[in-house]
Amino acid sequence: DAGVIQSPRHEVTEMGQEVTLRCKPISGHNSLFWYRQTMMRGLELLIYFNNNVPIDDSGMPEDRFSAKMPNASFSTLKIQPSEPRDSAVYFCASSEGRFRAFFGQGTRLTVV
Amino acid sequence: TQLLEQSPQFLSIQEGENLTVYCNSSSVFSSLQWYRQEPGEGPVLLVTVVTGGEVKKLKRLTFQFGDARKDSSLHITAAQPGDTGLYLCAGERWGGGFKTIFGAGTRLFVKA
Repeated sequence: DAGVIQSPRHEVTEMGQEVTLRCKPISGHNSLFWYRQTMMRGLELLIYFNNNVPIDDSGMPEDRFSAKMPNASFSTLKIQPSEPRDSAVYFCASSEGRFRAFFGQGTRLTVV
Repeated sequence: TQLLEQSPQFLSIQEGENLTVYCNSSSVFSSLQWYRQEPGEGPVLLVTVVTGGEVKKLKRLTFQFGDARKDSSLHITAAQPGDTGLYLCAGERWGGGFKTIFGAGTRLFVKA
């Protein structure tokens, strides 16, 4: 099993540019989560999907953030326009039911 | 404000010492999970506790879920340098689907 795959691993972009982060969950998992991790705020849940449907997006910080899951094997998190304060490590995780989430290696985003 | 408060935030100890990390909340959780994260990687699940008062052991690690399912502790016996890492507690709550919320973490450094 390849695990949760995120791309890119690192992204450096200029303020105002659009950023798209990608995630391929583990095959067969029905829940997908997007988290953001910073030193100041720790690991924050942004949004989660169940069976490709967004269930709770209350953690999405602003309208500049959007997430989609067009099918069971792919999800994107988009930031448009990006700002320096969006710099963080963004993790995608998937799970089959409850009790255990498998995390990807994360995308380190730097907005300059 | 963190829904799950972890203490201490940082801990530096000598190899062979014992330690306890705490995870507290005013909210009740369906289950509580402990993860360990190493630099450049995503969190990896160590254990899930579900029943109030439940105790689980994983080699030198002992996990306990509070009777009221609002808090948990992680005790490490005879710590080793390989235990170094960020320890995260995470509570599971129902919100249209089960979502997992993380504490800020305890960063442990074990010196040889």
